[in-house]
Amino acid sequence: AQSVSQHNHHVILSEAASLELGCNYSYGGTVNLFWYVQYPGQHLQLLLKYFSGDPLVKGIKGFEAEFIKSKFSFNLRKPSVQWSDTAEYFCAVNASNTDKLIFGTGTRLQVFP
Amino acid sequence: NAGVTQTPKFRVLKTGQSMTLLCAQDMNHEYMYWYRQDPGMGLRLIHYSVGEGTTAKGEVPDGYNVSRLKKQNFLLGLESAAPSQTSVYFCASSYPRTGRETQYFGPGTRLLVL
Repeated sequence: AQSVSQHNHHVILSEAASLELGCNYSYGGTVNLFWYVQYPGQHLQLLLKYFSGDPLVKGIKGFEAEFIKSKFSFNLRKPSVQWSDTAEYFCAVNASNTDKLIFGTGTRLQVFP
Repeated sequence: NAGVTQTPKFRVLKTGQSMTLLCAQDMNHEYMYWYRQDPGMGLRLIHYSVGEGTTAKGEVPDGYNVSRLKKQNFLLGLESAAPSQTSVYFCASSYPRTGRETQYFGPGTRLLVL
């Protein structure tokens, strides 16, 4: 069965630190990859997505993610985090254009001023 | 344009009681989904619908039923609530699938089953 792993469950950073959140998936075929963010008290919203082309994808608020097919990874990065980036981040995978998204367990990011 | 709305926002039930969660979207999306979010487990798909009058099981369908009588509404029912169904429930919708569509989420319903 397809699965998505987010190994960082809770990350604590100071403002201006760099961020990298890991995401690995288990599926050998065509995948569409997503990062969603859930700010405190708010609903999930799309941060960025990848389905083809340049494996380095840029999203909103300065976030980017790199698809490395050989590593089955889609890690999220931001060079300099802000306090407002405090949120929970979910990686999600759609395998072979099926109807469903498989979500990872999420990474809770806390940024301190 | 309200997007995806969910009613109610919060509910407390006793074991064995029933309730229905309502999801409504005004984006004319074909696809709608119900997820539950539990600490350390991320979002898990309960049921989904690819169009009016159709529903399908997701990853964790037991104890839940759904109906999609109108394109804009997707109802999630708990016939006999159990404490294990204490969770935050999210509804989402999207355009017809190529697998690349963004899912748009509602604000969630917090359910506590005592």
